[in-house]
Amino acid sequence: GAVVSQHPSRVICKSGTSVKIECRSLDFQATTMFWYRQFPKQSLMLMATSNEGSKATYEQGVEKDKFLINHASLTLSTLTVTSAHPEDSSFYICSARDRRTMNTEAFFGQGTRLTVV
Amino acid sequence: GNSVTQMEGPVTLSEEAFLTINCTYTATGYPSLFWYVQYPGEGLQLLLKATKADDKGSNKGFEATYRKETTSFHLEKGSVQVSDSAVYFCALANTGNQFYFGTGTSLTVIP
Repeated sequence: GAVVSQHPSRVICKSGTSVKIECRSLDFQATTMFWYRQFPKQSLMLMATSNEGSKATYEQGVEKDKFLINHASLTLSTLTVTSAHPEDSSFYICSARDRRTMNTEAFFGQGTRLTVV
Repeated sequence: GNSVTQMEGPVTLSEEAFLTINCTYTATGYPSLFWYVQYPGEGLQLLLKATKADDKGSNKGFEATYRKETTSFHLEKGSVQVSDSAVYFCALANTGNQFYFGTGTSLTVIP
């Protein structure tokens, strides 16, 4: 199946700094990528939908100035957590869908464990 | 609207026991249904899927049948192994590319 690579897998940062997470589709083009946040022992919460070449669509309650999303190409979307605080510590996962096959399946990255100290 | 309701865990089974994790959904239109598995510290991996009513998805001994009449997509495996220990998510995808996930069910299989 298609591969989505997410980097880094783990990051620890100081409170007040910014962290960038990358999500790449390695062998397919993805016009749409999704960013999720997962709290311990809970399900995935959709944060935003990232569309190539346009602004991301954020879910209600997600601060767009806090979580900056850029989808500059058909294979790369980035999530930047700005001025991170300990409450931003979480597991962040991206997913993408292959536009060639119009398959409804989504492919997920490995996730990024963010710890803000 | 679209939503997925999944059996709450955690579930603990002995090796070779039979597994059922219930999943029901509400959806507009004709969604595709999925089961994803998440191993500790990792992202989600597709386990199986079904795109229309009465389809049966299967993989690695796991099965689930898309039941439109009961709006269900229950996950089953006849004989679980220790390596099946993970969190299982039921999900649906409808128009607009968006996925809707259940809350996840943690499975622990003990030798």
